[in-house]
Amino acid sequence: DTAVSQTPKYLVTQMGNDKSIKCEQNLGHDTMYWYKQDSKKFLKIMFSYNNKELIINETVPNRFSPKSPDKAHLNLHINSLELGDSAVYFCASSQDLGDGKYEQYFGPGTRLTVT
Amino acid sequence: SQKIEQNSEALNIQEGKTATLTCNYTNYSPAYLQWYRQDPGRGPVFLLLIRENEKEKRKERLKVTFDTTLKQSLFHITASQPADSATYLCALPNQAGTALIFGKGTTLSVSS
Repeated sequence: DTAVSQTPKYLVTQMGNDKSIKCEQNLGHDTMYWYKQDSKKFLKIMFSYNNKELIINETVPNRFSPKSPDKAHLNLHINSLELGDSAVYFCASSQDLGDGKYEQYFGPGTRLTVT
Repeated sequence: SQKIEQNSEALNIQEGKTATLTCNYTNYSPAYLQWYRQDPGRGPVFLLLIRENEKEKRKERLKVTFDTTLKQSLFHITASQPADSATYLCALPNQAGTALIFGKGTTLSVSS
């Protein structure tokens, strides 16, 4: 069983469109995250959710919105896509409130290409 | 704000040698530090966590040190194998302790 899964794995879309990426974890973890990895491979935190409550939002444009229907899911909605949004997006989860004392488990990533 | 530097983007070594990767940080005194491995097209995988009061931690062929005075962590892979070829990421908690901040990573290539 996959611990953290994401769909789709690849997403190609045009500028201005709205898209969503889904994430599910079956580990029973308390906290889920979204990261963006750009073309230079730099991995940057976007959001984290604990018990369906947003904890952080690291200077991410408000075109990006996380939605958590339950503890096991954290979906990422992106409105009005721009060329600069092209990147690989990773979902992750961890046991605690995100202070890192427990390791984070990452999904396989979603490669988003905006044309 | 805190800054993390992994000072080598790429490291090439021969099979059987010890690989040593460096992670330096500034403007901060983290309570712990983590190391992850990332293979092409995959998400990072957790390897080791070391706390500020631990000088060294080992797991099989991996060894991590944490020098809070130098603000540096060293990651060693002994008896390296081609299968160890990957990108290794250093990560620290942010000052609020709510998220991990990742370094840019060092890509290790082990040749046979």
